[in-house]
Amino acid sequence: DGGITQSPKYLFRKEGQNVTLSCEQNLNHDAMYWYRQDPGQGLRLIYYSQIVNDFQKGDIAEGYSVSREKKESFPLTVTSAQKNPTAFYLCASSIGRERGSRTQYFGPGTRLTVL
Amino acid sequence: LAKTTQPISMDSYEGQEVNITCSHNNIATNDYITWYQQFPSQGPRFIIQGYKTKVTNEVASLFIPADRKSSTLSLPRVSLSDTAVYYCLVGDARTGNQFYFGTGTSLTVIP
Repeated sequence: DGGITQSPKYLFRKEGQNVTLSCEQNLNHDAMYWYRQDPGQGLRLIYYSQIVNDFQKGDIAEGYSVSREKKESFPLTVTSAQKNPTAFYLCASSIGRERGSRTQYFGPGTRLTVL
Repeated sequence: LAKTTQPISMDSYEGQEVNITCSHNNIATNDYITWYQQFPSQGPRFIIQGYKTKVTNEVASLFIPADRKSSTLSLPRVSLSDTAVYYCLVGDARTGNQFYFGTGTSLTVIP
């Protein structure tokens, strides 16, 4: 069953703690993305990666970090430097630039709440 | 990166056709237009993509005029399950620059 998985679905964190959100895909996609969504708002890009071992900042990268050591995995760390981390986090993937329309396929999301 | 403008919300009765228009005045030559659907607490789902004229698939149609400065998503005979937020994205399919989701259009289907 191909797709994108995110875990956990719900995550609670105390202020001052770092937390890592998991994103895994078995679609053989080259590119992966992380978005943040606040209530009633659209999606805002945090980071994206076109290939393994390479990633770029999106519009709101401050307070976040990522790694892309494997094609299938793109974990996002929400650091204590992120001032307002409570939000819905969405991971997506798309095929490589030489191979088509770059339609993004999204995971089910992780809802992070800072206590 | 071309930004888009959509109505914030729309209401429709079940069984009617719904047309959601997106304005993208700064669309570039290589940009494609893509529409996504999002239900609460879920990730967006691809609906349809096009470059010019008309594209149709099993769930929707996309109309793009010759100047490509706007596009219209058409949902035929909506049902209650079509209540969702619809996002229009514009970007270069070759580079993957389709990152601006905006606030989307919240469609409510009324029984």
